[in-house]
Amino acid sequence: QKEVEQDPGPLSVPEGAIVSLNCTYSNSAFQYFMWYRQYSRKGPELLMYTYSSGNKEDGRFTAQVDKSSKYISLFIRDSQPSDSATYLCAMHFSGGADGLTFGKGTHLIIQP
Amino acid sequence: SAVISQKPSRDICQRGTSLTIQCQVDSQVTMMFWYRQQPGQSLTLIATANQGSEATYESGFVIDKFPISRPNLTFSTLTVSNMSPEDSSIYLCSVGVAVSTDTQYFGPGTRLTVL
Repeated sequence: QKEVEQDPGPLSVPEGAIVSLNCTYSNSAFQYFMWYRQYSRKGPELLMYTYSSGNKEDGRFTAQVDKSSKYISLFIRDSQPSDSATYLCAMHFSGGADGLTFGKGTHLIIQP
Repeated sequence: SAVISQKPSRDICQRGTSLTIQCQVDSQVTMMFWYRQQPGQSLTLIATANQGSEATYESGFVIDKFPISRPNLTFSTLTVSNMSPEDSSIYLCSVGVAVSTDTQYFGPGTRLTVL
């Protein structure tokens, strides 16, 4: 069993829809959770960062963490064609000196 | 955040040769990391580049294959040695900009193809 599971998609939705992206993880020692967006042939761009369980909102994006279920989500409201990209969940342990453990990424397509 | 550049952006190399990838940051950072992103796979941490000391490698990665230098707080290099087609991948450097490095920012990546 991989440490972080993420459905690779592709996930195709119409413009304006609410998108839900999810990851599950197996190691309860993970404390910090991030979502990155990666456009084709570009490096990952940090979207959201959360520490505690609960919700964090930034514009059209909401990150949700449920540590008891080892489950994290990213919601995108009013999705736009420009949101079409690969979304990567990532996490790491406390202490800050370690690298990130990533999911495989979900390829999202927003249809105009 | 930090502005991170990588050179080269892409390269095509012959089997058995070596390629050195450079990572430059516009400000001093404590932590620098190197990742590999193979087609259809997760980003995988290769090593942590330590300033003034040897890099710390993850399981499955060794210094002879991936030597790393970090001469100062804004620059690092990763060399892919004695390349084979299996080394074809995107190589990314990242930096932690806060003292606790809770978040990491990535460079644009180097796309390597080995023939």
